[in-house]
Amino acid sequence: GESVGLHLPTLSVQEGDNSIINCAYSNSASDYFIWYKQESGKGPQFIIDIRSNMDKRQGQRVTVLLNKTVKHLSLQIAATQPGDSAVYFCAENKADSWGKFQFGAGTQVVVTP
Amino acid sequence: EAGVAQSPRYKIIEKRQSVAFWCNPISGHATLYWYQQILGQGPKLLIQFQNNGVVDDSQLPKDRFSAERLKGVDSTLKIQPAKLEDSAVYLCASSLDKTIPYFGPGTRLTVT
Repeated sequence: GESVGLHLPTLSVQEGDNSIINCAYSNSASDYFIWYKQESGKGPQFIIDIRSNMDKRQGQRVTVLLNKTVKHLSLQIAATQPGDSAVYFCAENKADSWGKFQFGAGTQVVVTP
Repeated sequence: EAGVAQSPRYKIIEKRQSVAFWCNPISGHATLYWYQQILGQGPKLLIQFQNNGVVDDSQLPKDRFSAERLKGVDSTLKIQPAKLEDSAVYLCASSLDKTIPYFGPGTRLTVT
């Protein structure tokens, strides 16, 4: 079946560097995407979202890029900090299933000093 | 603004026993979700409510799982009888109206 997935299960980043977390999706009907951060023992926390009519959106220290041609989504974190260590998930929503979000497997980001 | 509340935070039961989880969504949020998150995986949608009606329960194992949201506010998820493979974190989320889901802290269930 169609699914959302992540390329890298674990990403090790040095403190102060930029992080790039990738997500591939296979459903061309998906038109809304959300990135979540999940720390150990907590629920997923909203980071940023993007709709399919956009290819880039920026937040505080984060940027999401959407490439609909290759069905690829990425989350860039600038100047990665120890507090950014967590599992990051992308979630997609299909246009005909409004509000129903499907999650990828997640990427573990480890920030090293 | 208070977030999504869930209880209990942890539960340990033996297989074949029953268990119930409670969720209180963010005030005013019409959409409520229950997700199951197995260790090392992303959350999997079990059921989605819009007010007190079920929008999607296609992935809910209905032979053992049930959920209700009788007054369109808080919700309960029940498992009866539990199996070993039900060990997971059960996450409740709510959204204003099918927009960004905001998650609670989850209930970690261990079935022995």
